[in-house]
Amino acid sequence: DVKVTQSSRYLVKRTGEKVFLECVQDMDHENMFWYRQDPGLGLRLIYFSYDVKMKEKGDIPEGYSVSREKKERFSLILESASTNQTSMYLCASSFLDTIYFGEGSWLTVV
Amino acid sequence: GDSVTQMEGPVTLSEEAFLTINCTYTATGYPSLFWYVQYPGEGLQLLLKATKADDKGSNKGFEATYRKETTSFHLEKGSVQVSDSAVYFCALKNAGGTSYGKLTFGQGTILTVHP
Repeated sequence: DVKVTQSSRYLVKRTGEKVFLECVQDMDHENMFWYRQDPGLGLRLIYFSYDVKMKEKGDIPEGYSVSREKKERFSLILESASTNQTSMYLCASSFLDTIYFGEGSWLTVV
Repeated sequence: GDSVTQMEGPVTLSEEAFLTINCTYTATGYPSLFWYVQYPGEGLQLLLKATKADDKGSNKGFEATYRKETTSFHLEKGSVQVSDSAVYFCALKNAGGTSYGKLTFGQGTILTVHP
């Protein structure tokens, strides 16, 4: 069965902290994505990666960076967390026409 | 650029009512179209998809037809259940060579079904 696992479901961080959100997929997919979900805005793409060490900016990359050192792992980094980054973060991987999502990480920045 | 517009929500229905959630899109070329569902506290799951004009995707009693002439992919179900209460997202994937499988999502529609 397809599996995309996000390491933390709920996090509370302080303003200015560096935050790491980890995502692992077990399907050997080349493409991986980080989305942010906010009420009324749907899902917005932050970054994606199409291969190890390759990354591309999505629609809202400001304040974020990513790392993909291994094919199965794609990390989202908030360099200096701010309150406007409080949100639900969804990791995904894709093969052909289908994208598989993790369960999401709820991040609150206080 | 590509965009997806869903009908404004939330939508509240009684059990066994007919459901329609409208979705229209703007895209170049011939995108693939999807409906995803998000149950409370969970990530998104693929509900159905259609990859070319006039295709009908269906799953769990839900249907949607890819209408290129009206650039629409409306979601329908003949008789909703309480367990269908969720957030529904319409999305497209452009077939362009550098899309890498990226999806463009609509804003989501909250559906609540009452007994």
